[in-house]
Amino acid sequence: NAGVTQTPKFQVLKTGQSMTLQCAQDMNHEYMSWYRQDPGMGLRLIHYSVGAGITDQGEVPNGYNVSRSTTEDFPLRLLSAAPSQTSVYFCASRTTRSEAFFGQGTRLTVV
Amino acid sequence: AQSVTQLDSHVSVSEGTPVLLRCNYSSSYSPSLFWYVQHPNKGLQLLLKYTSAATLVKGINGFEAEFKKSETSFHLTKPSAHMSDAAEYFCVVTPNNDMRFGAGTRLTVKP
Repeated sequence: NAGVTQTPKFQVLKTGQSMTLQCAQDMNHEYMSWYRQDPGMGLRLIHYSVGAGITDQGEVPNGYNVSRSTTEDFPLRLLSAAPSQTSVYFCASRTTRSEAFFGQGTRLTVV
Repeated sequence: AQSVTQLDSHVSVSEGTPVLLRCNYSSSYSPSLFWYVQHPNKGLQLLLKYTSAATLVKGINGFEAEFKKSETSFHLTKPSAHMSDAAEYFCVVTPNNDMRFGAGTRLTVKP
């Protein structure tokens, strides 16, 4: 099993560009989430999903969009990148009340 | 609403001395609680988890944590610090649908 696969690992964008961060899991987990990690702030929840076709906003959803068409995939879209979105992004999946399994992270720089 | 507070942003200990990383949570019901560790430029690794079984939870690498409902605390301890324990530690609380991180505690271990 691959676990949680997150791509790309590194990305540089220009302000105003859009892009999609990919996340896939092969553990048949119903819950998937996206976080951003900034120094001194821990991991903050952007969006999450409790199953295919169901998504909800987390703590910092502005500027990001998600969809969940299958159990396996949960892409995160940056609609118009801004320097404030420079961060490290993590995708995670889990079952009810279980621990989360994380991808390796995407280091995004917006210039 | 669920939230988690890590009481120290930075803890420094000498090698061989005990480690205490403090975490308090707020919850309207009994949550699941976790500790994760992140070594520099690495992903997140689960140390231990509490999911309403034994209140004293043992994890990997000699770490353990005690769930105290009356104090709404879930402090992480280790009897004797090792140089390899230097990392960032995150306390995490999860209700059914999302998972919330504390801001993190950076542990420094001095030789």
